Amino acid sequence: GDSVTQMEGPVTLSEEAFLTINCTYTATGYPSLFWYVQYPGEGLQLLLKATKADDKGSNKGFEATYRKETTSFHLEKGSVQVSDSAVYFCALSPAAGTALIFGKGTTLSVSS
Amino acid sequence: NAGVMQNPRHLVRRRGQEARLRCSPMKGHSHVYWYRQLPEEGLKFMVYLQKENIIDESGMPKERFSAEFPKEGPSILRIQQVVRGDSAAYFCASSLEFGAKDEQFFGPGTRLTVL
Repeated sequence: GDSVTQMEGPVTLSEEAFLTINCTYTATGYPSLFWYVQYPGEGLQLLLKATKADDKGSNKGFEATYRKETTSFHLEKGSVQVSDSAVYFCALSPAAGTALIFGKGTTLSVSS
Repeated sequence: NAGVMQNPRHLVRRRGQEARLRCSPMKGHSHVYWYRQLPEEGLKFMVYLQKENIIDESGMPKERFSAEFPKEGPSILRIQQVVRGDSAAYFCASSLEFGAKDEQFFGPGTRLTVL
């Protein structure tokens, strides 16, 4: 079945460091791909998405490119801030109107 | 425009009691999804509902769990005779009927603790 694998955490960085969180997926067909962020004690917020191959999603300095050839959707940010500390989830949707399939989440901790 | 609302935010139950979790989708959204997040785990799909219909309940445990989304009022996730293993965060998400492909908006979650 469809699945998402993302790098284990926690990831600990200093402020202004470069961030990469790896995400790969297995899916039949042409899924949509998402990154969600969860701050402590809160629900998930959509960070960015891409709906077809080679699309680049971006928001708040974060970017991810839908790579069909490597079945990947890695999250990157050039310069992280303390406020970026959160849990990041990679997810896919096999088709419109279907449930999301999530990775296990990666905890990011940024120190000043 | 209010987001997805869930209540209660925190719920404590003793083993054997019933838990009722409520979800009000965003205005205009007619699709509701329930997910469960166990400690140190990602979210797992439980059930997908449209108004008055269960579309996909493949992620729901076969016993003790039920869900509804009536014509009027919030969606309800009901857990009967709770056990300690039911302790988790339960998230609801909603989406438009004909909107941006697959974009689901999440509520803040209900954190259930079973004593």
